[in-house]
Amino acid sequence: EVQLVESGGGLVQPGRSLRLSCAASGFTFDDYAMHWVRQPPGKGLEWVSGISWNSDTLDYADSVKGRFTISRDNAKNSLYLQMNSLRTEDMALYYCAKDFYGVLRYYFDYWGRGTLVTVSS
Amino acid sequence: NFMLTQPHSVSESPGKTVTISCSCSSGSIASNYVQWYQQRPGSSPTTVIYEDNQRPSGVPDRFSGSIDSSSNSASLTISGLKTEDEADYYCQSYDSSNPFVVFGGGTKLTVL
Repeated sequence: EVQLVESGGGLVQPGRSLRLSCAASGFTFDDYAMHWVRQPPGKGLEWVSGISWNSDTLDYADSVKGRFTISRDNAKNSLYLQMNSLRTEDMALYYCAKDFYGVLRYYFDYWGRGTLVTVSS
Repeated sequence: NFMLTQPHSVSESPGKTVTISCSCSSGSIASNYVQWYQQRPGSSPTTVIYEDNQRPSGVPDRFSGSIDSSSNSASLTISGLKTEDEADYYCQSYDSSNPFVVFGGGTKLTVL
């Protein structure tokens, strides 16, 4: 059974940093691209970032480019999102999502339960 | 970049059929695959349709997807509605040349 478990969310002040993690199991992690997708409370879904199976390709939404960094450790079956210079508009539930393929195809077959990031002073 | 527009809400009775539309603002809907995600209240999204009309294993064949180039839109059709189908449904597509990933605003399906 595919499982994606996010962690690392919490309350942070504007301008500060946070690092999210996603622990993957139930599939061959290094065969698939991975993504972060977020959902502000009561609102819709927004793709944040994606990384190919071998970290060769990293992509970001314009709204986070230059502030967020995606990475993965295939030896640890883990995905990460380093979030710097956080803004109030970054407040959301952050989902880890598995791509259908190893290269970035930008659609998702499994989702985690999410970790909540609250940005407030 | 393009936008995907969905109706805010739809409702239908159990046993009936409902279709949710997803209209593409520019470019061709057929240029890149469309996906549909179901999100029940308090839960994570799950994939019900990928690559326009493919169902992941475990998704009942009551769910079907299609695209219509003439209206430049995609549709999700759910037949034999059940109360458990009540959820928010999001369409999604992308432009891999950019790259650019877009979700529709979501449609709240009420089964009453």
